[in-house]
Amino acid sequence: GAVVSQHPSWVICKSGTSVKIECRSLDFQATTMFWYRQFPKQSLMLMATSNEGSKATYEQGVEKDKFLINHASLTLSTLTVTSAHPEDSSFYICSARNPSGIDTQYFGPGTRLTVL
Amino acid sequence: GNSVTQMEGPVTLSEEAFLTINCTYTATGYPSLFWYVQYPGEGLQLLLKATKADDKGSNKGFEATYRKETTSFHLEKGSVQVSDSAVYFCALPLNNDMRFGAGTRLTVKP
Repeated sequence: GAVVSQHPSWVICKSGTSVKIECRSLDFQATTMFWYRQFPKQSLMLMATSNEGSKATYEQGVEKDKFLINHASLTLSTLTVTSAHPEDSSFYICSARNPSGIDTQYFGPGTRLTVL
Repeated sequence: GNSVTQMEGPVTLSEEAFLTINCTYTATGYPSLFWYVQYPGEGLQLLLKATKADDKGSNKGFEATYRKETTSFHLEKGSVQVSDSAVYFCALPLNNDMRFGAGTRLTVKP
């Protein structure tokens, strides 16, 4: 099946620094990737839709200047958390839609961000 | 719009017990329905799916039947194992992305 990877799997950073998270589709091309955020013991909340070659579409309430998304190629999307603060600590999960499965998404393993 | 309502947990069972996690949906038309599983510290994995009414998705001993009469997609397993301990999410597509239920945490004790 389709494989999506994320890097890093966990990161600890100081408040005020920026952190970049990579999401890669390893064995298929993904024109669309999604970024989710998950708080402890809660469901996934969609943050933004990342489209290759164009600007990301952000969900209401998500600051686009704080969560920078770049979909540079058909296999890579990055999420940069700028000027991170402790409240940004969370589990960030990306997913990609396999073109052969119209409505099936494949998820990365997630990145746990802890901001001190 | 499309949404799912999922039985809230947590659910604690003994090994070999029968499992049911309820999921009902509200949707325009008949979208595909999904169950995802999240093991501790990991991302989501597709567990099973059904693409049309009366379809039964199955995987790893889990089953769910797409029932349009009751707008339900309940997850069942006849005999759970300790390794099934995880959080289970019911989901359906909305526009280009996926909408998830709140998740049900299952703990299976030996």
